Order: sequence, then structure tokens, then C-alpha cells
Amino acid sequence: SQQGEEDPQALSIQEGENATMNCSYKTSINNLQWYRQNSGRGLVHLILIRSNEREKHSGRLRVTLDTSKKSSSLLITASRAADTASYFCATVAPAGKSTFGDGTTLTVKP
Amino acid sequence: DTEVTQTPKHLVMGMTNKKSLKCEQHMGHRAMYWYKQKAKKPPELMFVYSYEKLSINESVPSRFSPECPNSSLLNLHLHALQPEDSALYLCASSQVSRGPDQPQHFGDGTRLSIL
Repeated sequence: SQQGEEDPQALSIQEGENATMNCSYKTSINNLQWYRQNSGRGLVHLILIRSNEREKHSGRLRVTLDTSKKSSSLLITASRAADTASYFCATVAPAGKSTFGDGTTLTVKP
Repeated sequence: DTEVTQTPKHLVMGMTNKKSLKCEQHMGHRAMYWYKQKAKKPPELMFVYSYEKLSINESVPSRFSPECPNSSLLNLHLHALQPEDSALYLCASSQVSRGPDQPQHFGDGTRLSIL
């Protein structure tokens, strides 16, 4: 299986609801990052959480990291139609190589 | 607008053609990356340059040849590509630090189609 697996693969919610995406990984990491990709565009960095951190906030984003379970979650609160995008977690190994998860496609309906 | 500029945005080429993809950034980043992304899949790392030297080559076929002529530019030279090489090619850059904890800044990619 690929490092950085995400679930769900697709998520559809109404505007104003919260969206939660999960990421699991297999090997040791230095940090875990979340990116957003709008259709036809490049990836945009959202937030980075280091291996010694458990939770991090940035605006409407909340990321948690559980290194014992090798998992992370991204919560987007009070979602907006503009949040519609694909979301990827990326694990960065000590050697510096980043590996992206399969991604979650989020659709926020107005 | 992104701070990493990739040209061209679209490229259609035959299997015998030679073409190049270009990437430019002026953020002072000394690490630059090439990724390949197929539809509905995550980006896959191809190459990493650090201080203009190739530091990671993810066993990419030799028909892809990267080049980093200076700290702002990254090229990907293409020759004798196969139809399965059709994909979105993304360039990214980041600062270099002791640990790999720098976010990457991506361009919007070149959509490549091989006939």
C-alpha cells in the first residue's frame, strides 16, 4: 500500500458543515503536510505539523497527528463552496523525500 | 497567481519529438522538484534538486532529463516519450533547511499529451 493513504476518497457536504479527512502512513516521518488542489491547478500548501506536535490550527483548519497510530486528520470547519477541491496529505521522511496520499475529493454544495 | 511559473501550460507532442518544460521561481528557494500527476491520482516525485545539484532521482526513465541551470530555473527535457507519459507535470520549490520541514510551492503545471 502507498504511504499516506487517505479516507474518505470522496466527501460531499453542505455549505456550513464541517469536513473531516483522514490520512494514514506506514513509516517514520519528520512531519506531515496537507495540501489543497483545485481542478486544473497546482497544489497549495495548507498546514504542516511536525512529528512532535499533536494538534495545530490555522484559521478554519485543524490538523491532528497521532504518531502511535501513524495517522492524521484534517478538519475544515464551517465549509464554503470555495473549499471544493482535492486534499492531499504528504509525509516527509527523514531522508527528505515527500510522498503524497491518494487524496480526498471534497465537494461543498451551496 | 502562483509564485512558481511553468511553461508551457499545455503541450502536445509526438513520440519522436524533443521538447522541454520550464519552471521559474524568484522566491530564493534552493530546492526544486519535478512531479508527475496522472488524472485523479496524487503527484509522484520524479526529481529533486538542492543547491542546483540533483539530489533525488526516483528511478525515472532516461527519456526524462532534468536540468537546473541556475537557482531560479528548472527544466525537464523530454525525448522519445510514450503515450503513458501523458500527465500533468508539476514543478515545486522550497527553502532548504537542515530538516525536510519546508512547505513546497507549486506551479500550475504543464499538461502533456503524447500522440
